[in-house]
Amino acid sequence: DTGVSQNPRHKITKRGQNVTFRCDPISEHNRLYWYRQTLGQGPEFLTYFQNEAQLEKSRLLSDRFSAERPKGSFSTLEIQRTEQGDSAMYLCASSPDRGRNEQFFGPGTRLTVL
Amino acid sequence: GENVEQHPSTLSVQEGDSAVIKCTYSDSASNYFPWYKQELGKGPQLIIDIRSNVGEKKDQRIAVTLNKTAKHFSLHITETQPEDSAVYFCAASIGGYQKVTFGIGTKLQVIP
Repeated sequence: DTGVSQNPRHKITKRGQNVTFRCDPISEHNRLYWYRQTLGQGPEFLTYFQNEAQLEKSRLLSDRFSAERPKGSFSTLEIQRTEQGDSAMYLCASSPDRGRNEQFFGPGTRLTVL
Repeated sequence: GENVEQHPSTLSVQEGDSAVIKCTYSDSASNYFPWYKQELGKGPQLIIDIRSNVGEKKDQRIAVTLNKTAKHFSLHITETQPEDSAVYFCAASIGGYQKVTFGIGTKLQVIP
């Protein structure tokens, strides 16, 4: 068990470009969450999956954002037509859906939009 | 939706002293309250959590208290050490299996 992994760790892009981030949860964790964290703030919930089903999406997740978890394992978060306001740390977390309900966080992907 | 307020935003203590961070929440349906520690360049890590059917929980130098009536909960760190320096987040959730709403964070500095 190597924990939650996220790739890439850093991404610099120009405004208007599309970017995609990947999250690999802890194996056998059915639930996977995406959060966004800006400087000096706490993480803000974006969306979460139970297996491959996307169960909830925040209003923060505009039409330009899409998340998938096609086989109930890894997940991708895509941002289309990036804006400078999208610059943030994107955190992924996973948890089992029974028993101890701690969310284990990955190291995050830091996005900078120029 | 849930709103979690946290204070202070920064806290400096001398090594060996105690540190207290306080939070309030708004949604009476919240019943799971985790506390996370985030070090520079890393994701948040759970340090302790408490459920609404418990008033206090302790784990070595860390303790958390919960007042459901007032919708207050607090983190207490005793005998602080330099390695306790980090940003601490309180959070609230319904059940813990759904989204977690975080406070703004408290930057704790322990001065040797």
